[in-house]
Amino acid sequence: SQELEQSPQSLIVQEGKNLTINCTSSKTLYGLYWYKQKYGEGLIFLMMLQKGGEEKSHEKITAKLDEKKQQSSLHITASQPSHAGIYLCGADGGGATNKLIFGTGTLLAVQP
Amino acid sequence: DGGITQSPKYLFRKEGQNVTLSCEQNLNHDAMYWYRQDPGQGLRLIYYSQIVNDFQKGDIAEGYSVSREKKESFPLTVTSAQKNPTAFYLCASSIDGGIFAGELFFGEGSRLTVL
Repeated sequence: SQELEQSPQSLIVQEGKNLTINCTSSKTLYGLYWYKQKYGEGLIFLMMLQKGGEEKSHEKITAKLDEKKQQSSLHITASQPSHAGIYLCGADGGGATNKLIFGTGTLLAVQP
Repeated sequence: DGGITQSPKYLFRKEGQNVTLSCEQNLNHDAMYWYRQDPGQGLRLIYYSQIVNDFQKGDIAEGYSVSREKKESFPLTVTSAQKNPTAFYLCASSIDGGIFAGELFFGEGSRLTVL
């Protein structure tokens, strides 16, 4: 079965610094989703990537899917306290249904 | 406003008791899902339903049951057979259950604690 591994597990950065979170799959990715979660709350959709080499940006967050479609990165530029939370990648688990599987998450703290 | 509502937000239960978590959506989505979240383990799929009156087991269905009698509702029952029920439970929905159905919309979650 497909597994998603995220790194790092946790991250503390100073406000204004850039950072990158990685998501690596054991199989080819046919749809990769990035979500953000504040502790104790639901997940908020950030971006979806499908094509090898695809890159999408929203405000100061950029997500990329590598050409081989087995790794995705999430890059935050000039981090702010509002970026703090848990970032999770999700991927299509395969088969005929949209059964999303998730990585273990990366906890981001931004120090003012 | 459209969205997904989960209730209760916090729930305490004694060992041996069944408990039902509510999930209602007014997004007119066909597919609904239940996930369990534990520290350091990400989200794991419990059950999902692609259409009314139909549902399938996810990766960790043992000790749980669901029903999908109405399109907008997908309640989850945590039974006494679930050996480690203390967790954060998340309900989600999507437009349909097909591949690349788009993003999932999540509720705010229900935190269950077994005393």
